[in-house]
Amino acid sequence: GNSVTQMEGPVTLSEEAFLTINCTYTATGYPSLFWYVQYPGEGLQLLLKATKADDKGSNKGFEATYRKETTSFHLEKGSVQVSDSAVYFCALSEEWGGSNYKLTFGKGTLLTVNP
Amino acid sequence: GAGVSQSPSNKVTEKGKDVELRCDPISGHTALYWYRQSLGQGLEFLIYFQGNSAPDKSGLPSDRFSAERTGGSVSTLTIQRTQQEDSAVYLCASSLLAGGINEQFFGPGTRLTVL
Repeated sequence: GNSVTQMEGPVTLSEEAFLTINCTYTATGYPSLFWYVQYPGEGLQLLLKATKADDKGSNKGFEATYRKETTSFHLEKGSVQVSDSAVYFCALSEEWGGSNYKLTFGKGTLLTVNP
Repeated sequence: GAGVSQSPSNKVTEKGKDVELRCDPISGHTALYWYRQSLGQGLEFLIYFQGNSAPDKSGLPSDRFSAERTGGSVSTLTIQRTQQEDSAVYLCASSLLAGGINEQFFGPGTRLTVL
């Protein structure tokens, strides 16, 4: 079956530090890949996505590149801010049963950014 | 526009009681999903509805869990004879399923506590 493995954390950084959260996946077909973010007290929000190999998703200074050869989708940001403190989830979506697109999530990584 | 809404936001119940959780998806979204977020298991898929097709119930943990979607819109997740291990945040999501991109929009969740 499908699975997502991501760096568990927690990760604590100082403001303006470089961020990497590793994510690797196992899937039988050609999944779409996502990063979702959950800010304190809020619901899950889509941060970025990539639908095919070598695609780069980007949003709010975050980037992730779909690497089929290494089955990875690592999240990066060059300079984090206190407001980036949240839980980050890597996820994949793969068609099965003809038209089914359920998401398979990693365990989540808690990021805390200190001023 | 309005996002996905869920009610109640919090529910405390006694072991053995039945509970109903409600989800109102984004208008026009044909797909609706239920997930469960718990400390031990992370984010787990429960059930998926797509249009008039039979729902995918493969993620439901036991026959105490059921869900329905009336008129292709509002959905209700019912848990019968609740157990303490049912305590979790229950998330609903909806999507358009446009093309091959499955961008799911999540509600704020219902936090269920079983005493």
